[in-house]
Amino acid sequence: ILNVEQSPQSLHVQEGDSTNFTCSFPSSNFYALHWYRWETAKSPEALFVMTLNGDEKKKGRISATLNTKEGYSYLYIKGSQPEDSATYLCAYQGAQKLVFGQGTRLTINP
Amino acid sequence: ETGVTQSPTHLIKTRGQQVTLRCSSQSGHNTVSWYQQALGQGPQFIFQYYREEENGRGNFPPRFSGLQFPNYSSELNVNALELDDSALYLCASSLGGVRWNTEAFFGQGTRLTVV
Repeated sequence: ILNVEQSPQSLHVQEGDSTNFTCSFPSSNFYALHWYRWETAKSPEALFVMTLNGDEKKKGRISATLNTKEGYSYLYIKGSQPEDSATYLCAYQGAQKLVFGQGTRLTINP
Repeated sequence: ETGVTQSPTHLIKTRGQQVTLRCSSQSGHNTVSWYQQALGQGPQFIFQYYREEENGRGNFPPRFSGLQFPNYSSELNVNALELDDSALYLCASSLGGVRWNTEAFFGQGTRLTVV
C-alpha cells in the first residue's frame, strides 16, 4: 500500500510570517511529486510538478524542494497573505495514478 | 479556472440506486482520472481513461465504472449505491497519460450524498 503523509494536518499562521510543511512519499517507482492548492469551493489548482532529485521550484512567494532518495518534499510560503489560506495537497505519481496525502489546511490570521 | 467542469455539483441518492456523474475535460486532453474524496481524507484514485480506454484502476469494486468519449467528456457510473459512497467526486484531465508527468487539471467536484 502506497502511503503519502503530510504534516502538519492544519496550521495557523500570522499574516506576514513564513511557513513550511512536509510531504513524505515512497522513494521507489517514483515518477513525479505534485503539489496542489485547494481553496474552499474551488478546484484544486496545480502549483508544481517535480521530477528530479534536488529539484527546487518557485512560483511567486511559494517554493518547493524535492528529495526522492529519502522520499520527502517541502513546500515553503514566504510572507503569508490571507489569500494563501487553503488546503495544500501533495500527490506521489507512481505508475498510472496519483496517490494523494490528506492535505495540510493552512489558515492565515490577519 | 481550470477549464474542467463537472455536473451536477450536488446530488442526493438513495441506497441501492444508480448514479452517473459527468465531467467535461479541457479540449485536447486525452486522459481523465476520477477520484473519491471522503471527509478528512485526500482524494483516492478510482480509475483513469486514456484515449477512451481504461488505463488503470484503484481499489474500487466493479460497481464503479466509467466511460470516456471522443469529445473530451467522461462519465463515472456507480451502481447499487452504499452509504459509504457519500463523498466528493473529482475528475481531472491531463495530456498524455499519468506517465508523462504533466499536471492534472481538476473540476470542482460533485458532492454525492447517499441516504
